[in-house]
Amino acid sequence: DAGVTQSPTHLIKTRGQQVTLRCSPKSGHDTVSWYQQALGQGPQFIFQYYEEEERQRGNFPDRFSGHQFPNYSSELNVNALLLGDSALYLCASTQGSEAFFGQGTRLTVV
Amino acid sequence: GQQVMQIPQYQHVQEGEDFTTYCNSSTTLSNIQWYKQRPGGHPVFLIQLVKSGEVKKQKRLTFQFGEAKKNSSLHITATQTTDVGTYFCAGDTGRRALTFGSGTRLQVQP
Repeated sequence: DAGVTQSPTHLIKTRGQQVTLRCSPKSGHDTVSWYQQALGQGPQFIFQYYEEEERQRGNFPDRFSGHQFPNYSSELNVNALLLGDSALYLCASTQGSEAFFGQGTRLTVV
Repeated sequence: GQQVMQIPQYQHVQEGEDFTTYCNSSTTLSNIQWYKQRPGGHPVFLIQLVKSGEVKKQKRLTFQFGEAKKNSSLHITATQTTDVGTYFCAGDTGRRALTFGSGTRLQVQP
């Protein structure tokens, strides 16, 4: 049983570009959350998807958007990238309370 | 919004010494979870505490949830080099969106 998988693992983008990150949740999990983890900080909640709808959102601008597909996989889109968007982006799936995290996508904006 | 503070930020111990990290939330929590993140890795779930005053043990690790459900602690007895990593608490207000503390980085010297 595969755990949470994310792609790509690393990505380098230029300021102003757009990026799409992908996440496949753990088998049987229907809820996907996205977090941004800056270097030396704890993960910050971006948003959560359930039944293909955004259920909750953290304090992130509208440049951050997402989607959940019928198979529960999810995408995170970031438009108009800023240098400050450089971080590890983590996807977590839940079925109950325990959150299972993927390995993350390391995004570098130059 | 909800804030979760964690102290200390960093601790360096000799192998065999004890270690404690403390977590305080600005709001009452539905539950609190603890995660461990190894260098270069992703957060891995350790435990969830739900009840006021709850204490749980996992081998050398002891977790406590405060009576007011606003604070928590993790204590490691007789640290080992395998305990190295960053320990995060994460508060849940009941909607499965986690608010992480800034983490305590533990370094264990052999």
